[in-house]
Amino acid sequence: EAGVAQSPRYKIIEKRQSVAFWCNPISGHATLYWYQQILGQGPKLLIQFQNNGVVDDSQLPKDRFSAERLKGVDSTLKIQPAKLEDSAVYLCASSLERGIEQFFGPGTRLTVL
Amino acid sequence: TQLLEQSPQFLSIQEGENLTVYCNSSSVFSSLQWYRQEPGEGPVLLVTVVTGGEVKKLKRLTFQFGDARKDSSLHITAAQPGDTGLYLCAGAYNYGQNFVFGPGTRLSVLP
Repeated sequence: EAGVAQSPRYKIIEKRQSVAFWCNPISGHATLYWYQQILGQGPKLLIQFQNNGVVDDSQLPKDRFSAERLKGVDSTLKIQPAKLEDSAVYLCASSLERGIEQFFGPGTRLTVL
Repeated sequence: TQLLEQSPQFLSIQEGENLTVYCNSSSVFSSLQWYRQEPGEGPVLLVTVVTGGEVKKLKRLTFQFGDARKDSSLHITAAQPGDTGLYLCAGAYNYGQNFVFGPGTRLSVLP
């Protein structure tokens, strides 16, 4: 079974630029999560989708971050404009349903200069 | 905001030694998970515990959930270099809620 795929693996941008990350979850997984993991910290949930609907986006900085999951499969996370403090690893995870085992992708390491 | 604390933050030991890392909160968990994350990879689930006092074993790893469901420990026997990584606990405070992650314990096992 293929795991969660993410791209790109690495991205370096300058502050105030825009960036987008892509995630393809495990086939059949209804729930998709985006996490931000700052160096030295645990993952922090940014947004959770159930199929193509948003379940929890309470910690998403909506003035600059946006995410969508069209057709309930792939998802994109966008940052516009980026700030220095956005430097982190962005992890995508999926699960069959909410509240059970999550399977994580390898993450995208973002560096904002 | 409910917070999970993990200790120690860093641990460096020699191959063959035993170790224990801890996860605790001031609130009661409905369930708790332990993950291991290697550099450049996403976290991988090791175990889920749901019952107070529960003990689960995974080869050389022993997980214990506190009786009051506010804390948990992970004990590794005869650590190996392959055990090196970031050990994260994640707790859910109510059934069906999302899991909140702790800051992790970074373990380094030296050959």
